[in-house]
Amino acid sequence: EVQLLESGGGLVQPGGSLRLSCAASGFTFSSYAISWVRQAPGKGLEWVSAISATGGTTYYADSVKGRFTISRDNSKNTLYLQMNSLRAEDTAVYYCAKPLPVMANFYYYGLDVWGQGTTVTVSS
Amino acid sequence: QSALTQPRSVSGSPGQSVTISCTGSSSDVGGYNYVSWYQQHPGKAPKLMIYDVSKRPSGVPDRFSGSKSGNTASLTISGLQAEDEADYYCCSYAGSYLPFGGGTKLTVL
Repeated sequence: EVQLLESGGGLVQPGGSLRLSCAASGFTFSSYAISWVRQAPGKGLEWVSAISATGGTTYYADSVKGRFTISRDNSKNTLYLQMNSLRAEDTAVYYCAKPLPVMANFYYYGLDVWGQGTTVTVSS
Repeated sequence: QSALTQPRSVSGSPGQSVTISCTGSSSDVGGYNYVSWYQQHPGKAPKLMIYDVSKRPSGVPDRFSGSKSGNTASLTISGLQAEDEADYYCCSYAGSYLPFGGGTKLTVL
């Protein structure tokens, strides 16, 4: 079964850091670009970042550029999101998601598999 | 980087059809045929319903259809069923990022 499983969320103070992980199984992880998408409480979806299949190209939303870093370890089938200088407005459920197989290395293609999400709360 | 514009809510009775619009610009919806739609039930992860403007992934009922005209994409749900009640989000490639719409709450009366 194709699965994505996020972890690493929690409560952190403003200005703090957190690293999220997304463990993949059931598909050839190293062939797929992967995105992070977040959802603040009671709000809509917001694309955060994406990384190419090899990890050589990364993309960020303006709202997180310079504070968040996306990376991946294809030997461990795991995606990461290092979040620094966290703000209250970063409070959200963070999902990782993969595109359809037909366009596996295009992060913007239809995101057909999502994880269950991990919750990040930034508060003092 | 701007979000796409969707109506906050739409409603319809069982068996009826509803259409949800998604308005962007020539830099996103109007510039690329990479519009997708997602359904989200409360407390659940989003589910892909439409990609490439009008294609349905396997397993999605053909009651769901997508289209695009200029800078506006649309999702039409025909033969409404109670289980269609959910939030719906559009999404479009925009060159170097992936804006979503603000979401539309569909109520089945």
